[in-house]
Amino acid sequence: EAEVAQSPRYKITEKSQAVAFWCDPISGHATLYWYRQILGQGPELLVQFQDESVVDDSQLPKDRFSAERLKGVDSTLKIQPAELGDSAMYLCASSKRLAGEWSSYNEQFFGPGTRLTVL
Amino acid sequence: AQSVTQPDIHITVSEGASLELRCNYSYGATPYLFWYVQSPGQGLQLLLKYFSGDTLVQGIKGFEAEFKRSQSSFNLRKPSVHWSDAAEYFCAVGAGTGTASKLTFGTGTRLQVTL
Repeated sequence: EAEVAQSPRYKITEKSQAVAFWCDPISGHATLYWYRQILGQGPELLVQFQDESVVDDSQLPKDRFSAERLKGVDSTLKIQPAELGDSAMYLCASSKRLAGEWSSYNEQFFGPGTRLTVL
Repeated sequence: AQSVTQPDIHITVSEGASLELRCNYSYGATPYLFWYVQSPGQGLQLLLKYFSGDTLVQGIKGFEAEFKRSQSSFNLRKPSVHWSDAAEYFCAVGAGTGTASKLTFGTGTRLQVTL
């Protein structure tokens, strides 16, 4: 069964350092999402790509966060510099190409996440 | 904008007992509703979804959910809980179409199962 891959699974860093997370979506999935999940809360969307284009990054703190999906396949989320409040689980999800009404094409498949701890 | 409320932060049930997790949503149009489960340190796994049709939806692992438009609810149920069901459960509402499709999650309910 195809899965969304993420690495690393765990990352510990000191504040003001740079960190990067990688995501490889399910093969053939055009849409890729990065979510942030603070402990005790539900996931919140940071950025959404369709192919290599950003569809929605309205909730991405652009002063320190960046995301790219250069070839429309895998993606990297970067934080520079990291702050204590960035400690969270970062989840990547993918879905088929979004078009029209909700259907199986909108179903999102989630990776195992990267647990970030900023000291 | 859409929103999801899961009023129970933490629920404890005995193994073999029945379970109901509550979910209320707010959305002006036809909702697309989901339940996900998350084991500690893991990603989210889809349990079931409602798009249209029969309001009683069957999912994996013996779970079911019932969509009640009049109550804006989509409660998750299981007739007999197993110890392996201990996890965090998230209700989500899908809104928008095409590339504007978005999932909004509730804050989750943590299920503890006692033996």
